[in-house]
Amino acid sequence: GAVVSQHPSRVICKSGTSVKIECRSLDFQATTMFWYRQFPKQSLMLMATSNEGSKATYEQGVEKDKFLINHASLTLSTLTVTSAHPEDSSFYICSAPQTGANEKLFFGSGTQLSVL
Amino acid sequence: GENVEQHPSTLSVQEGDSAVIKCTYSDSASNYFPWYKQELGKGPQLIIDIRSNVGEKKDQRIAVTLNKTAKHFSLHITETQPEDSAVYFCAATYNNAGNMLTFGGGTRLMVKP
Repeated sequence: GAVVSQHPSRVICKSGTSVKIECRSLDFQATTMFWYRQFPKQSLMLMATSNEGSKATYEQGVEKDKFLINHASLTLSTLTVTSAHPEDSSFYICSAPQTGANEKLFFGSGTQLSVL
Repeated sequence: GENVEQHPSTLSVQEGDSAVIKCTYSDSASNYFPWYKQELGKGPQLIIDIRSNVGEKKDQRIAVTLNKTAKHFSLHITETQPEDSAVYFCAATYNNAGNMLTFGGGTRLMVKP
């Protein structure tokens, strides 16, 4: 299947710092990418939709100033957690749809963020 | 909006046995049903999917069945192996778009050697 690369896989940072997570579609272009948050033993929660060339669309309750999304190109979306606090610690996952007659959604490998 | 329920939440089987995970959905307009496998500390991996124009799809030891009338679909894993141990998520959507995918709560499958 298609490959979605996500980096870093794990990051530990101090409270108050910002952390950037990258999501790349390696063998296809994606005008749209999605960012999720996952708490332990829970399902995926959609945070926002990243749109190439325009502003991201955030789900209700997600602070857009806290979670900055930039879709710089057709293969790259970044999520920046600004002024991170311990409650932002979580597993963040991106995904990208491989469009076509039978569109499928592929996920990145996830980023475990720990804020001290 | 769509609501997807998944059962059971945990499933323990002996190596070699079969495992079945069931999901129900609420929106009759849903037409695409993927299944994802998530190993610890990793992102979900698409393992099989089915669209509403077919009732069953098989890929080696994995099969998915869809009953549109009853609005439920199931994942069947035969001859389970320890490496099948993971969390499995079902999902449903009506337009293929990732932002419209509604996920089930997940099933933790444990295959005992």
